[in-house]
Parts: sequence; structure tokens; C-alpha cells
Amino acid sequence: GAVVSQHPSRVICKSGTSVKIECRSLDFQATTMFWYRQFPKQSLMLMATSNEGSKATYEQGVEKDKFLINHASLTLSTLTVTSAHPEDSSFYICSARDDVRGNYGYTFGSGTRLTVV
Amino acid sequence: RKEVEQDPGPFNVPEGATVAFNCTYSNSASQSFFWYRQDCRKEPKLLMSVYSSGNEDGRFTAQLNRASQYISLLIRDSKLSDSATYLCVVNDLYGNKLVFGAGTILRVKS
Repeated sequence: GAVVSQHPSRVICKSGTSVKIECRSLDFQATTMFWYRQFPKQSLMLMATSNEGSKATYEQGVEKDKFLINHASLTLSTLTVTSAHPEDSSFYICSARDDVRGNYGYTFGSGTRLTVV
Repeated sequence: RKEVEQDPGPFNVPEGATVAFNCTYSNSASQSFFWYRQDCRKEPKLLMSVYSSGNEDGRFTAQLNRASQYISLLIRDSKLSDSATYLCVVNDLYGNKLVFGAGTILRVKS
């Protein structure tokens, strides 16, 4: 089945530093990938939609300058949390949509647990 | 009003019980519907897609009522391993993205 590799799975960083998270579709092409954030006991909240070769579309309230998204190929999207602060500590999950399967082809990465100290 | 609403539970049921979850969605233009399962501190995983005619996969049955904008999931003969959070998910054709409900917690006990 479709696999999405997300790295790192866990990261602890100091306040003020930047963290890059990678999301890679291993056996399918994904023009569109999505980045979510989930706080404890809450649902997944979409942060942004990443489109290969173009700018990401950010949801309302998400700072584009803080959460930099790059989708340079059909199999790779990256999310960089810049100048991280403790309130950015969360579970970040990516999802890639299979170009062939469309709406029935979403696969999630295993998530990245970010702790900012 | 939230785009996708679910009863958060928790639903505490004994092994072997039948349990049903409901979900309502607000966007009548929604085209695709899913139930996902999320275990603690893990990513969501697709349980089943929901089709207009209703569909069944083993012990799991999903129903869709477009007129009422209502989706359900029925789990028969509950197992301990069914304990998880069940997420109702809707894909909006025009929004072109997945919208998640807050999830319903199921705890199956022996």
C-alpha cells in the first residue's frame, strides 16, 4: 500500500531555533500534500496545503513566515518551524494525496512530535 | 457551527458489544466521506470510506444520509483492539481538503 515517510519522528529543540520536518511519498506521486497540527486531546487542524511547484496555501491564523513550506518535487514536502517557541510544541502530521487515487488516496505520515524547551 | 461534529464520548463498552457513532457535517457540497481511526500518539489511519449506498467491512458498517448530512459507523462484536479515537472526515470538493471531526473515543473493556 501507499506509504508516506515523515522525519524526524521526535525532536526537542531550544527556543529560537528552527526545525525542519520532511514528508516523503515513497511509492506514489503527490502534487498535493497537507500539513496538520494536533494538540493534546484535540482534533487535527489543517495548517496548510502544499502544492508542488507553487506556493503553499495557509489556513486562516497560520503564520506563513513562521511555518515555511517547500514542495520541490512530486514526492517531497518540507515544513520548517522557524524561531520555535514552547507554544509551537505539538504533534505535526503530513498527508499526501495520491495523484492517481485523488480523494480516496490520502496517506498520512507517522507524525513528528516537537517539543520546544 | 463546526464543519464536522461528533460526540466526543468516551463510549465505554464491554467486549462483544455493538456500538454506533454518529457524525454530522455542515457543507452540503461535500462529496467524499471517511472514517479514520487514531490510536494514542499515532497518526490517523483510514478505517473505511463511506459510500452513498452504505458499506460494510467485516464488523464495521458505515452509512451516509446526504439529506440529513449525517454519517454513522457501527461496530459489531467489539474487540479490545478496537479501543481508539474514531474520526469522521469529510472532503469538500470545492475546498479540496480533508476536514476532521474532533473524534469519538471508544474504550472496549474485558
